[in-house]
Amino acid sequence: GQQLNQSPQSMFIQEGEDVSMNCTSSSIFNTWLWYKQDPGEGPVLLIALYKAGELTSNGRLTAQFGTTRKDSFLNISASIPSDVGIYFCAGHYNNNDMRFGAGTRLTVKP
Amino acid sequence: SAVISQKPSRDICQRGTSLTIQCQVDSQVTMMFWYRQQPGQSLTLIATANQGSEATYESGFVIDKFPISRPNLTFSTLTVSNMSPEDSSIYLCSVDRDRTSRSFGSGTRLTVV
Repeated sequence: GQQLNQSPQSMFIQEGEDVSMNCTSSSIFNTWLWYKQDPGEGPVLLIALYKAGELTSNGRLTAQFGTTRKDSFLNISASIPSDVGIYFCAGHYNNNDMRFGAGTRLTVKP
Repeated sequence: SAVISQKPSRDICQRGTSLTIQCQVDSQVTMMFWYRQQPGQSLTLIATANQGSEATYESGFVIDKFPISRPNLTFSTLTVSNMSPEDSSIYLCSVDRDRTSRSFGSGTRLTVV
């Protein structure tokens, strides 16, 4: 099946630093999604990307849908303590199937 | 997007017993999805539940172990049967947010001892 390779697995950064994480696949996706999961909660959608090459921002978050449709990245600028959590990428197909990456665990030190 | 309520939020269960998790959505939805998130892992789809038909299970998951009910368009239950410590996970209910993304409940954190 279509697997998503998400990296890095974890990040330990200082407050105020920028963060970058990405997902790659050997398969093409129609939609790329980025979710954040806080402790004790379910994943919450941050950004959805629908077209190859699309660059979308949501506050301090910026994500891009790769031109080959096989990859996506998420950047967080000027990190703050509440950015702590697990970030998941997800790819969506036409048949309503979705795949999730393994997650990037972000720790922000004040 | 839909508001998804899951109960219980957490439980500690004895091995060999069963736990039923409830999922209530504040709007009618065609499909409801059940995911498992093992400790430190990503989300794995267990099954898709449509109202009025049997749930469709993913490879590696069977109805005898994870029976699902879908009595109406706003409610579903997932039972984890004959539990073992390997079943300790977060179980998440999900619905389509739009044609290409999903919303999730806050999850049920299950610990089997």
